[in-house]
Amino acid sequence: SYELTQPPSVSVSPGQTASITCSGDKLGDRYACWYQQKPGQSPVLVIYQDTKRPSGIPERFSGSNSGNTATLTISGTQAMDEADYYCQAWDSSTGVFGGGTKLTVL
Amino acid sequence: QVQLVQSGAEVKKPGASVKVSCKASGYSFIGHYMDWVRQAPGQGLEWMGRINPNSGGTNYAQKFQGRVTVTRDTSISTAYMEVTRLRSDDTAVYYCAMYSSTSKTLDYWGQGTLVTVSS
Repeated sequence: SYELTQPPSVSVSPGQTASITCSGDKLGDRYACWYQQKPGQSPVLVIYQDTKRPSGIPERFSGSNSGNTATLTISGTQAMDEADYYCQAWDSSTGVFGGGTKLTVL
Repeated sequence: QVQLVQSGAEVKKPGASVKVSCKASGYSFIGHYMDWVRQAPGQGLEWMGRINPNSGGTNYAQKFQGRVTVTRDTSISTAYMEVTRLRSDDTAVYYCAMYSSTSKTLDYWGQGTLVTVSS
């Protein structure tokens, strides 16, 4: 079965750039998307089709996907961005999530 | 506005079954697949399966085939997810989520339903 791998945690200072990676076999041949989840809340889509931002998502969120790695980049990270982030892709019609990355802003 | 409202928390004994509902409003229920995702305490998201509300067709992650059934009632715009033969490791928050075929994403999520399996 298809698998996506994320680092368990990433730390960033306020105002700096955070990068969260997601690795999978030939992931660049599929669309990747990213969800943000804050404690006690349902996930929220922040990036879809590798690079697109849904309406209402700040411009500081961006994405890329090439080769075996998709990357979520948060520029000028703010305290409110502290959350768990999950990458996700489709393997035929089956959804696959990465294990999640806890972003700490300190 | 799109809303997905799920049924309340459940406590079940091992071996029992649980059925969680997800009532949709604010969009065409039959126009979008409904997916189910679960999250064990302190763990990540796990995709379980989906239903095409228009046809009733379903597909499931291999891990859940035979133990999870997703159904719908189009007359009340509600999807259901039933898990049978519950085990302690089925303790989790279960989410329904509306799938957008345009963006291939889960655009709207329910509030989640905590299912606790304990003897």
